[in-house]
Amino acid sequence: GQQLNQSPQSMFIQEGEDVSMNCTSSSIFNTWLWYKQDPGEGPVLLIALYKAGELTSNGRLTAQFGITRKDSFLNISASIPSDVGIYFCAGQSNSGGSNYKLTFGKGTLLTVNP
Amino acid sequence: SQTIHQWPATLVQPVGSPLSLECTVEGTSNPNLYWYRQAAGRGLQLLFYSVGIGQISSEVPQNLSASRPQDRQFILSSKKLLLSDSGFYLCARNIGSRYNEQFFGPGTRLTVL
Repeated sequence: GQQLNQSPQSMFIQEGEDVSMNCTSSSIFNTWLWYKQDPGEGPVLLIALYKAGELTSNGRLTAQFGITRKDSFLNISASIPSDVGIYFCAGQSNSGGSNYKLTFGKGTLLTVNP
Repeated sequence: SQTIHQWPATLVQPVGSPLSLECTVEGTSNPNLYWYRQAAGRGLQLLFYSVGIGQISSEVPQNLSASRPQDRQFILSSKKLLLSDSGFYLCARNIGSRYNEQFFGPGTRLTVL
């Protein structure tokens, strides 16, 4: 099956620092999504990307759809304590009857020290 | 509103007991619905998805089953729970023509003792 490699697995940063995480795949994806999950809650969609090369921002968050369609990154600028949580990438492809399904990365656990 | 409701929020069950988790959604009709399990706060495993009433696709052979008796209702069940069924169960839906974007409910924390 399709797999996404998400890195890093965890990050410990100081408040105010910038953060970068990424996902790579051996398969081509048509859509890349980035989610954030707070403890004990469901993941919340942050950014959706639909075109290769697309760069999209949502406040302090910026994500890009890689030109090869096999990778995506998420940047968080000027981190604050409420950025703490698990960040997931997810991809969707149209191959093998997977039109309705997303493939998720294993998540990046972000800790922000005040 | 595209709100997703999950019930119950938390559940503690003995091994061998039955299970029924409910997910109901509001908003756009005929959504795709999904059940995921998350173990130890990491990694989302797709269990089942449904593209319509009575249509269930199973992703992983296991001790669980799913049903969709109504357009906006998705149920996860088990006849006999195992210890390994413990985890955080998440229901998700897509939004209209944006098939690729999934939105998650608040989850159910299941502990099997």
